[in-house]
Amino acid sequence: QVQLVQSGAEVKKPASSVKVSCKASGGTFSSYALNWVRQAPGQGLEWMGGIIPIFGSTRYAQKFQGRVTITADKSTTTAYLEMSSLRFEDTAVYYCARGRFCSTTPCGNFDYWGQGTLVTVSS
Amino acid sequence: SYVLTQPPSVSVAPGQTARIPCGGSNIGSKSVHWYQQRPGQAPVLVVYDDTDRPSGIPDRFSGSNSGNTATLTISRVEAGDEADYSCQVWDSSGDPIIFGGGTKLTVL
Repeated sequence: QVQLVQSGAEVKKPASSVKVSCKASGGTFSSYALNWVRQAPGQGLEWMGGIIPIFGSTRYAQKFQGRVTITADKSTTTAYLEMSSLRFEDTAVYYCARGRFCSTTPCGNFDYWGQGTLVTVSS
Repeated sequence: SYVLTQPPSVSVAPGQTARIPCGGSNIGSKSVHWYQQRPGQAPVLVVYDDTDRPSGIPDRFSGSNSGNTATLTISRVEAGDEADYSCQVWDSSGDPIIFGGGTKLTVL
């Protein structure tokens, strides 16, 4: 049974950083891509980027390039999303999701999702 | 970057058939995936690669894809199908993972 368990809710001030974790179990960690998808209140799903642990390669959505860092620790089967220079509009639920990869890029669909982590940016 | 367009809402009476479109340029040449998201919950994959269903998804859920429109069809709609539905594709240029804006299905 594949499970992705994320860290708890965060409240951050503008201009600060946040780091969210996603612990994977029940599958072969290095055989998939781990992606991060966010959803602002009342809005749709937005892909932020992904990592392919077996290669250590990352790919980011153009919108988040330079402000987001995705890492993975194969020894603990945990992926991380770190976002800097937080703004009020970054308030959202952040999901990790498992998917496939094509060459060194995330591709295909997302078959397992974490429970989501609410990040609130407030002064 | 590739754009997927969905209507904000679709309404259907119980027992009827709901059709949720997802528009994109020549989307018929891509594989389309669909997610169901109930309020306060994480998305769930209900159709992948245009027409396939993951294990555990009822056969009331089906998909099609041709030309510039992909469609998720839900037959014999139940109250429990009320949720947001989002389409998704992989694009080889620009950002690789693209989501549609989502459609709220209301069961009357």
